[in-house]
Amino acid sequence: DAKTTQPTSMDCAEGRAANLPCNHSTISGNEYVYWYRQIHSQGPQYIIHGLKNNETNEMASLIITEDRKSSTLILPHATLRDTAVYYCIVWGGGYALNFGKGTSLLVTP
Amino acid sequence: GAVVSQHPSWVICKSGTSVKIECRSLDFQATTMFWYRQFPKQSLMLMATSNEGSKATYEQGVEKDKFLINHASLTLSTLTVTSAHPEDSSFYICSALRQGDTEAFFGQGTRLTVV
Repeated sequence: DAKTTQPTSMDCAEGRAANLPCNHSTISGNEYVYWYRQIHSQGPQYIIHGLKNNETNEMASLIITEDRKSSTLILPHATLRDTAVYYCIVWGGGYALNFGKGTSLLVTP
Repeated sequence: GAVVSQHPSWVICKSGTSVKIECRSLDFQATTMFWYRQFPKQSLMLMATSNEGSKATYEQGVEKDKFLINHASLTLSTLTVTSAHPEDSSFYICSALRQGDTEAFFGQGTRLTVV
């Protein structure tokens, strides 16, 4: 699978937008970009995914560059409950998700 | 979205005993289930892949005789940690795929502590 690179940690003030970057320069044409998050001692939670178009749902927005080599997850108004480890994963489906180290996001009051 | 349930959420057992963890897909049939473990401050590591009615495929370094996986139906997979030792203490997480779906669904995880 394609590998991803994310910053180890980020801080964000409550109420502000959190922008989490991800590099996936070796992504192949049939792989999607997925974002999951894991709140402490819980299973991963699906956030959003996309192929090449920008996507938005009730949780977040996903911006994928035109060359698909990088993407940004945007939490528009971060809350304390968004403090978690965020994983960017490229996945073609049908096999196990490969979790990297992710970005530990701390939302501060 | 689809729901995957793990049971128990946490368990404490004595060294040398065996522990069974269940993973159920509550509202869909899971063609494939995956088992991960996660040590403190580390990421999820895939242990094995199981398909209903066939033997599980284990990742390198995972002892198949120690971590027994049974996927007897399309809604249930079990992981049995046999002869548990303190170093098996970890957070175990299952994941399920629904055929044709574009999302993997995860259980809430099971915290195993071996004393």
